[in-house]
Order: sequence, then structure tokens, then C-alpha cells
Amino acid sequence: DARVTQTPRHKVTEMGQEVTMRCQPILGHNTVFWYRQTMMQGLELLAYFRNRAPLDDSGMPKDRFSAEMPDATLATLKIQPSEPRDSAVYFCASGTAFAGTDTQYFGPGTRLTVL
Amino acid sequence: AQSVSQHNHHVILSEAASLELGCNYSYGGTVNLFWYVQYPGQHLQLLLKYFSGDPLVKGIKGFEAEFIKSKFSFNLRKPSVQWSDTAEYFCASSITGGNEKLTFGTGTRLTIIP
Repeated sequence: DARVTQTPRHKVTEMGQEVTMRCQPILGHNTVFWYRQTMMQGLELLAYFRNRAPLDDSGMPKDRFSAEMPDATLATLKIQPSEPRDSAVYFCASGTAFAGTDTQYFGPGTRLTVL
Repeated sequence: AQSVSQHNHHVILSEAASLELGCNYSYGGTVNLFWYVQYPGQHLQLLLKYFSGDPLVKGIKGFEAEFIKSKFSFNLRKPSVQWSDTAEYFCASSITGGNEKLTFGTGTRLTIIP
């Protein structure tokens, strides 16, 4: 049963520290998405990649967030420096883009708390 | 720009009651529509999806949804709910033939009373 995996599952850090979240998409999937879920804003798309190339990162605060795909099996989301307002659950999702019809499969999320 | 509206924020039902959760989307073109479920403390799981064809879509766990283009709606239904259906339900859309970005509604929290 193929699944998206994310590490760490929980992260507590202090304001100003760097946070790196990792995602392993389902093997063979060529699109990867990063979402943030908060009570106030719901689910927001931060960035997404197709074939490892970033297609849209307009949802990310550019000054502190960065997303990369070093290879097809790893996507990273980095926050530097972190702030309390970054506290949220960060989900990674992957899919196979085909003619614009794509189903996204979500990972278990990383629950980030910035003190 | 796309948007998805879920007007029911919290729904409370007794077991065996029938369920209908509303979802409306706004986009002038052709869209793909999805319902995801998030059980407490878990990740989002796909319940069902509509891309084209039969507007009545059947998903997992006895759920179904009907795409009504004239009403821009994609309501989720289940004839008889169970306690285990307690979860948050998200409607989402993406543009057909375009990028794959999902636009989510704000979610509906469903509580089933045994």
C-alpha cells in the first residue's frame, strides 16, 4: 500500500530556529504539493512541483520559506527563521499529473509548534 | 479565480440519520471536484472525485456526491451515517486541463452521536 511519508511528525522549536520538513512522495508520482493547515486559514497551498521543477510557490512567504526537491524521492520545506505564526500542520501530497486530471494523496503531516 | 464554499461548519447527527453536506464552487470553466475526509488526528483521505461523465459519483465507505453544473454544486451524501463517520470533510476543486492546484473549502466538522 503506497503512501506519502513525512518526517518529523511533530516538531517543537523556538522562534528564530530553522525548521526542515521532509516528504517522500509515492514512487512514480511526478507532482508534489505542500499545504499548511491552521484553524484560522484552513488548508492553504504553499508550493508545488512537477517533475521536480517548482511550478508555483506563490502561497509561501518568500522571505522565510523555501521548498526544494533534491531528487524525485525527496521534497523539503524549510522555514528560516521560524516564527510563532508558522505553527500549523504541514501536509505534503503527491500525484500523477495527466491532462489536468490529478488525484492528490496526502501524507500524515508534520505538526509544527514554534514557541 | 476559483473558490469553494462549504456553508455547514459543524453538523451533528445521530447514528443512522441521513447526511448531506453542501459544497459550492465558483469557476467559469470546467472543474474537477473532490471530497476528502480527515479523521481526528489523521491526514486527508480521498472519499470520491468527479472529473467527467456520470454526475453521480460513488466513493468509499458508502458516500456519494452529485455534480449539478447549473447550481455549481457538489454535495456529499450518505443515506445512513455511523459513529465512525465523525470527522472533518473537505470539498476541493481543480481546473480541468490546467494546473493541478487544489482549492479547498473551509471544511465541515461532522459529529455523529451514538
